Order: sequence, then structure tokens, then C-alpha cells
Amino acid sequence: DQQVKQNSPSLSVQEGRISILNCDYTNSMFDYFLWYKKYPAEGPTFLISISSIKDKNEDGRFTVFLNKSAKHLSLHIVPSQPGDSAVYFCAASAGGFQKLVFGTGTRLLVSP
Amino acid sequence: GAVVSQHPSRVICKSGTSVKIECRSLDFQATTMFWYRQFPKKSLMLMATSNEGSKATYEQGVEKDKFLINHASLTLSTLTVTSAHPEDSSFYICSARVAGAAETQYFGPGTRLLVL
Repeated sequence: DQQVKQNSPSLSVQEGRISILNCDYTNSMFDYFLWYKKYPAEGPTFLISISSIKDKNEDGRFTVFLNKSAKHLSLHIVPSQPGDSAVYFCAASAGGFQKLVFGTGTRLLVSP
Repeated sequence: GAVVSQHPSRVICKSGTSVKIECRSLDFQATTMFWYRQFPKKSLMLMATSNEGSKATYEQGVEKDKFLINHASLTLSTLTVTSAHPEDSSFYICSARVAGAAETQYFGPGTRLLVL
């Protein structure tokens, strides 16, 4: 049972445009959400997170939106840069200090 | 801040031998560390949760006698793959959570294990 889903395995965007990565979840107990970026043969790098008490969190070029009623979150990267090309994982946890459940990842390719 | 290291980064071993992987939090204390495994083009699969000074909590389907976890201090957790088999070949990644902080986990760079 995949509790966190990233339905788009890949996304291609031109440099300077907006990248929108989507994530859906099924467990209504999830109350903390994170986005990680991962390069091949490396560990994930934390990007940004959001608590369920918020619907938006912004950090530089990265913004995460949370729609609790739809059980959906998205990561916006603007402007996209070639260095953003990587696999992006969303993750969720429930009830504080609990394990993270990861999505399957979306491979982002930003072309010059 | 929040740097996690792993050693070794790559290891090749023969079937039947044991391999130890270290995970260290370099600039913070981590009461909880996590061990993940990633198969090619797949998501990260949580293997176990390691708590300092107590036994690890293993996920369903993960053999605790095969994947021994020790969390001896607030900055070090080790994963030992015992009697390794070729099917244990994988990318193993650890993460650590800052003691007393929120749920953000910081990941190590991973260890590529190849069992011949």
C-alpha cells in the first residue's frame, strides 16, 4: 500500500521556467511533509518542509503548498536551473517523531 | 549544520562475510537514526529505526538477525550485514534526526554494497 504517491516519474522543464512537482497521500494522520532532492549514488538532501497547520512554506526558489482536503502537496521551483536536475522525493510523517514514508520520486530535468 | 557521514562509501565483499557500515552525525546529537535501503530506480525503504541505548525497531520483513544495528552513542549508529549474499547488494543510506527537534531527517551520502 503506497501511502505517498508521486504519479509523475519524470518532468522536463526549460531553464528559467517553473517546475511543479506533485505528491498525493492517503493517510489522514500525516501531519508533517518534506521534500528531498537526490542525485544518483548520493543520500537525499533536505529541501523544505511544511506542517499540516500551514498551507504554504517558502524558502528562496522553493515553495511547498499543502492542500489537506485534497491530501495533496506540491513543490514549486522558480526559476528552475540546470543544477536542479535530480530526483525529488516527497515524504510524510504522522504524530511527531515518527518514521518518514517516502514517495517513489520524480526525476526532474531542467534543460538550458 | 546537520551533517551526516557514512563509512565506507563503497564496499565489495564475498558471499558469507559480514560488512559493517557506520553512520555518524558530525555536528549534532541524534537520539534516533534510521537505516534505509534503496533498490535501483525505487524509493527509499525504511529498514529499521535505531534509538541510542536501546534495541532497534525493525520494519516488517527485515531480518533483525541479518541486519544488526547498534546505536552506541548519540553520534554513531552501525549497520552490520551478516553472512552477506548477492541479493543484499544495494545502496544503504542512514539518516539522523536532531535530538529534541522536529521530524526533519538528515541523510548520509549512502554506502554502495556489492556482494560477489
